[in-house]
Amino acid sequence: EAAVTQSPRNKVAVTGGKVTLSCNQTNNHNNMYWYRQDTGHGLRLIHYSYGAGSTEKGDIPDGYKASRPSQENFSLILELATPSQTSVYFCASGDAPWGGYEQYFGPGTRLTVL
Amino acid sequence: GEKVEQHESTLSVREGDSAVINCTYTDTASSYFPWYKQEAGKSLHFVIDIRSNVDRKQSQRLTVLLDKKAKRFSLHITATQPEDSAIYFCAAGNTGKLIFGLGTTLQVQP
Repeated sequence: EAAVTQSPRNKVAVTGGKVTLSCNQTNNHNNMYWYRQDTGHGLRLIHYSYGAGSTEKGDIPDGYKASRPSQENFSLILELATPSQTSVYFCASGDAPWGGYEQYFGPGTRLTVL
Repeated sequence: GEKVEQHESTLSVREGDSAVINCTYTDTASSYFPWYKQEAGKSLHFVIDIRSNVDRKQSQRLTVLLDKKAKRFSLHITATQPEDSAIYFCAAGNTGKLIFGLGTTLQVQP
C-alpha cells in the first residue's frame, strides 16, 4: 500500500514565526504536492515537485517555500507565518510528470497560527 | 484562472438510491479527471478517474461520464450505502497539477 506520512500532525505557531511541515513518501513517486484545504475554497495547490531538487509554484504560492531534498521528502516552509495561513495542509505523491495518475494523500497537518 | 465547479454542495439520498454529482471545468486542455472521497476528519483517497480519450468508465457501483464538448463530467453512484457518506471532490488536470472542485457532501440516509 502506498504510504505518505506528514509531520507534525498538529501545530500551533505564533505570527511571524517560522514553520516547517514535512512529508515523506515510500512510493518512489517522482511527483509530490502540497495543498491546503479551507472551508469554501476546497483544495488548493501551493507547490509541487517533479523530483529531487525541483520545486514548482502552484496556484497559491505566496508566503510559502518548498524544498525537495530527496525522492522521499518534500517540505513546506512558512518563513513568516500569518493567521491567514491557518489551515489543514495535505501532502500527496503521484507517479506521472503530468499529474495524470492517482495521487496518494497524507493524513494532513492542522496548522493554527495565533 | 482555470476553475472546476461542483454543482451540488450537498446531496442527500436514501440508502439503495442512486446519487449523481456534477462538475464542470474551464480549461480545455484538461485531459484527466479524478474523483476523491474524504470521510469525516480523514484524508482524501482516490475512488475513480477518467481520461479524455473515453467518455465513460465504470468500476463496480461507480460510473464516471465525460462530455468534453460541454466540459462537464459526473460521478454516478448506484445502490448507495451508508458508508458512501463523505465529501466527494472532482478534479481536472493536464500537465503537472490538478484543480479541485469545492466538494459535495453526500449523505446516505438509512
